[in-house]
Amino acid sequence: KNQVEQSPQSLIILEGKNCTLQCNYTVSPFSNLRWYKQDTGRGPVSLTIMTFSENTKSNGRYTATLDADTKQSSLHITASQLSDSASYICVVSGRQTSGTYKYIFGTGTRLKVLA
Amino acid sequence: DGGITQSPKYLFRKEGQNVTLSCEQNLNHDAMYWYRQDPGQGLRLIYYSQIVNDFQKGDIAEGYSVSREKKESFPLTVTSAQKNPTAFYLCASSWGLGNEQFFGPGTRLTVL
Repeated sequence: KNQVEQSPQSLIILEGKNCTLQCNYTVSPFSNLRWYKQDTGRGPVSLTIMTFSENTKSNGRYTATLDADTKQSSLHITASQLSDSASYICVVSGRQTSGTYKYIFGTGTRLKVLA
Repeated sequence: DGGITQSPKYLFRKEGQNVTLSCEQNLNHDAMYWYRQDPGQGLRLIYYSQIVNDFQKGDIAEGYSVSREKKESFPLTVTSAQKNPTAFYLCASSWGLGNEQFFGPGTRLTVL
């Protein structure tokens, strides 16, 4: 069964600290993995996208890693800011035998950064 | 200013009424999608469209209908047949299936 599991479910950290969010998936076949940031009551915004051959990709203070062998990804946030408070969603997509693509969404990690 | 817009932001509906959610994009994307988001669950696909005048059911299409008469527009109708319509609805678009999806700001539908 195609699944994307994220951990932790929620996280509270102090401003300036680092944190790492996890994403494990069983989606097959695999095409790419994306991390989105979703502010409360808003639509998700893309942070990074990683294909099978990529191990690390950075976007400012956000760094995503991918281990395609173990089917795990992480999102590391450096020097957190209050504006990082949001839900972070991992999405894995794969091309199906029918030729269509399937997007499998994780349930997200809710991050709260405190002053 | 390119982007994807949804309206209204908040929508209230009485039981038994149909309601239509608007989604417009000026990104020249071929593919468009509708998702439903409920607390504690990942986004679930309702319908998607790869091209004008064509659309496919997603995982939870029952009680919903769509149309794709124009490339820019992909309205979603929530019918009275949808048993639990209260949710946050997100529209997205992409160049094609499998490409990066750009999301709209969402519409929160509440059934009274």
